[in-house]
Amino acid sequence: QSVLTQPPSVSAAPGQKVTISCSGSSSSIGQNHVSWYQQLAGAAPKLIIYVNDKRPSGIPDRFSGSKSGTSATLGISGLQTGDEADYYCASWDSRLERVLFGGGTKLTVL
Amino acid sequence: DVQLLESGGDLVQPGGSLRLSCAASAFTFSIYAMSWVRQAPGKGLEWVSGITGSGGSTFYADSVRGRFTVSRDNSENTLYLQMGSLRAEDTAIYYCAKGLHDGSHNELDYWGQGTLVTVSS
Repeated sequence: QSVLTQPPSVSAAPGQKVTISCSGSSSSIGQNHVSWYQQLAGAAPKLIIYVNDKRPSGIPDRFSGSKSGTSATLGISGLQTGDEADYYCASWDSRLERVLFGGGTKLTVL
Repeated sequence: DVQLLESGGDLVQPGGSLRLSCAASAFTFSIYAMSWVRQAPGKGLEWVSGITGSGGSTFYADSVRGRFTVSRDNSENTLYLQMGSLRAEDTAIYYCAKGLHDGSHNELDYWGQGTLVTVSS
C-alpha cells in the first residue's frame, strides 16, 4: 500500500489539460520536495519534474508541478496521444527515512 | 551519455540469494547518490534502497531491510544489491537509478533498462 495517494486513472481529450494529485503527510511531502515520473509502456521511468516544480532539460513546458502543504499536483497541458503513460509522484519521508512512491496514475488521452 | 547497465537478474528459489550489479558510465559516479527501484509485474514502482556517493549512508524499504544490502565500488563505478532470503513477492524488474545529486534519493534523473528477478520454485 502506497503512502502517497494518487488517483488510479485520469483521462482527457487531445489538446486539453489534466491534473494529477498526490497526497502525502507532514513527514513526506510536508517537509520534502516532490518529484514526478512518466513511464511509457514497456519503458523505464523518466524524471519529468523535480523539486516540486522544476523541469529537467528536454521536458516541455506543457508539464508543470506544484506543491502546497502535504499535497502536490502534476499538470499536463496541450495533451498529446504520446502523453499516454503511467505517472508517479515520489518524495522522501523524514520519519521513515525512505523514498515513497505514489501508486501511479494511468493517463488516457481519448 | 550517462549509461546504467544492470545485470544479475535470474530465476531463483524461495529462500535463495542473488546479487545485482549496475555498471555506470559517463559521469563522476562517486559524487552521486544511487538507488534501486523495483516494479512487480503489472504493479507500480517501489523504492528498494539508496546509498550516498561515498557509500557512508544506506537506506532501505521496510520490505527488504535485513534481507538486502546495497553497496558500491566507486573505483569500478558499480552499484550492487545483495539480495537474500528471497520471497515470491520480491519478483520484479529491478532498476538502478542515479540521484540528481548526493543525498537525492527521490530525484532520479537516469535509469537503467532493468533486470528481471523471478523468485519461484
